[in-house]
Amino acid sequence: GAVVSQHPSWVICKSGTSVKIECRSLDFQATTMFWYRQFPKQSLMLMATSNEGSKATYEQGVEKDKFLINHASLTLSTLTVTSAHPEDSSFYICSAEEVAGGNYEQFFGPGTRLTVL
Amino acid sequence: GEDVEQSLFLSVREGDSSVINCTYTDSSSTYLYWYKQEPGAGLQLLTYIFSNMDMKQDQRLTVLLNKKDKHLSLRIADTQTGDSAIYFCAEIDRGFGNEKLTFGTGTRLTIIP
Repeated sequence: GAVVSQHPSWVICKSGTSVKIECRSLDFQATTMFWYRQFPKQSLMLMATSNEGSKATYEQGVEKDKFLINHASLTLSTLTVTSAHPEDSSFYICSAEEVAGGNYEQFFGPGTRLTVL
Repeated sequence: GEDVEQSLFLSVREGDSSVINCTYTDSSSTYLYWYKQEPGAGLQLLTYIFSNMDMKQDQRLTVLLNKKDKHLSLRIADTQTGDSAIYFCAEIDRGFGNEKLTFGTGTRLTIIP
């Protein structure tokens, strides 16, 4: 199947700094990518839908200015956690949507574990 | 909004069958999915079922869908230690062009030797 990568796989940062997470579709083009957040022992929560060449659509309760999303190309979306705080510590997972023959399928990245000290 | 629920834990002896259950509320769901998440990793799509089907079998995996009761189950035959993971069901309603997956809480499957 299609492959989605994330970088970095883990990051530790100090409170107040910004962290950028990259999501790449390696062997297909993805007009739409999604960013999810997973708290320990909890399900995935969709944060935002990232559309190439346009502004991301954020879910209710997600701060746009804190979680900046840029989908500048058909293979790359980035999530920047600005002025990170310990409560932002989480596992962030992206997915990229492949459309082929009228079928849609989301492929997930391996996730990025963010720890804010 | 949509709601998807699962039991949090399931323990099964190696070699037995595992049955993971899921209930959902969105009657307009068009696709229902099962994902597997191993520790510290992303999600792996195991299988999916279209809403007009009531059963799908794929090797050791059997998906049953009761659309009337909005109940989905995943049966893993001959459970192995490598099946230890968290299993998420998810639903999507493509009818309105909504590409958002709604996930259940996840069921942690533990294999007893």
